[in-house]
Amino acid sequence: GQQLNQSPQSMFIQEGEDVSMNCTSSSIFNTWLWYKQDPGEGPVLLIALYKAGELTSNGRLTAQFGITRKDSFLNISASIPSDVGIYFCAGRSGSQGNLIFGKGTKLSVKP
Amino acid sequence: EPEVTQTPSHQVTQMGQEVILRCVPISNHLYFYWYRQILGQKVEFLVSFYNNEISEKSEIFDDQFSVERPDGSNFTLKIRSTKLEDSAMYFCASRASPGRETQYFGPGTRLLVL
Repeated sequence: GQQLNQSPQSMFIQEGEDVSMNCTSSSIFNTWLWYKQDPGEGPVLLIALYKAGELTSNGRLTAQFGITRKDSFLNISASIPSDVGIYFCAGRSGSQGNLIFGKGTKLSVKP
Repeated sequence: EPEVTQTPSHQVTQMGQEVILRCVPISNHLYFYWYRQILGQKVEFLVSFYNNEISEKSEIFDDQFSVERPDGSNFTLKIRSTKLEDSAMYFCASRASPGRETQYFGPGTRLLVL
């Protein structure tokens, strides 16, 4: 089945640093989504991308839909302690299709 | 802001028992989903539901699982005879329409099978 490779698996950074994580796939997706999950809670949508090459920002977060439609990255600028959590990429290949999730990037921010 | 709600938040059950997990999707949404997340692992798709029928399901969603939208507001996941490996967080999600609208997740039900 379709798989997403998300990296890095975990990151330990200092408050104020920028963060970058990415997802790649062997399959084409027509939607890329980035979610954040806090412990014991459901994934919360951060950014949705619908078009190859699209670059979208949400505050300090920026994400891009790769032009090959097989990859996406998420950048967080000037990290703060509340950025701590697990970030998941997810891709969808059809109009009704389910989401395929990456394995997540666990972000730890040291004040 | 409208949100997906799920009940119960936690459920403990004995192996072999039936459980029903309940979800109330966002009111004008038409597409409904169940996902599960085993502790420490990624979120996995179980089933999608549209127009009162299953539109897609994964290999995880075997004959022990069923979904229903009994009354136009609730969306339920039933596990007929629970196994130890069914222990996980179960997330419901809903989406308004095909195309640009995307899925919004509920807070999850933590199921523990003993």
